[in-house]
Amino acid sequence: QLLESGGRLLQPGGSLRLSCAASGFHFSTYDMSWVRQAPGKGLEWVSAIGGGGTPTFYADSVQGRFVISRDNSKNMLFLQMNSLRAEDTALYYCATGAGSPDFWGQGTLVTVSS
Amino acid sequence: EIVLTQSPATLSLSPGERATLSCRASQSVDSFLAWYQQKPGQAPRLVIYDASNRATGVPARFSGSGSGTDFTLTISSLEPEDFAVYYCQQRTNWPRTFGQGTKVEIK
Repeated sequence: QLLESGGRLLQPGGSLRLSCAASGFHFSTYDMSWVRQAPGKGLEWVSAIGGGGTPTFYADSVQGRFVISRDNSKNMLFLQMNSLRAEDTALYYCATGAGSPDFWGQGTLVTVSS
Repeated sequence: EIVLTQSPATLSLSPGERATLSCRASQSVDSFLAWYQQKPGQAPRLVIYDASNRATGVPARFSGSGSGTDFTLTISSLEPEDFAVYYCQQRTNWPRTFGQGTKVEIK
């Protein structure tokens, strides 16, 4: 199971950390990804991380603003989001795998608006 | 960045009919292409990975084909639960990219 949390309404320029709690599988052996979906729009891959914490990859749209990390001792995945923009408004999913993710959480909603 | 273009944008069909969805890549992705199904209010579900392999639990009426730049998802006989939006996705290069989606709707 994957359970995302941390999403909320915040103003442009703000920061937010999303969390994803994993259970039911050997978390540290899985690469993980964040994928987002703006309201009424398609899917956009955001970031991925190796099972041991490296390597990390980012979409151009978030490079330099978002940081992906994980705590394998707590089976947790994180996404630190800085300098948020209106276009970052989306439902953020965590998912297992960095290739074609095969198991997804239900998402947490981030709304960036003044 | 590899751009994936899906067609058509919307496919209007009746239950029992055959659905054929297309995905074209801006450069070769070898066979590293997946298809996802998404229903309203739900997370995406992996249907096909690496062009032609059904994910766990996916019915045999779903099949994928293609390699290089042109791919097809076929649903041989639509069931009511198959009406959804379908996305293709490549894992050849970073960043991973998705197509814009094809909506399969009831005619």
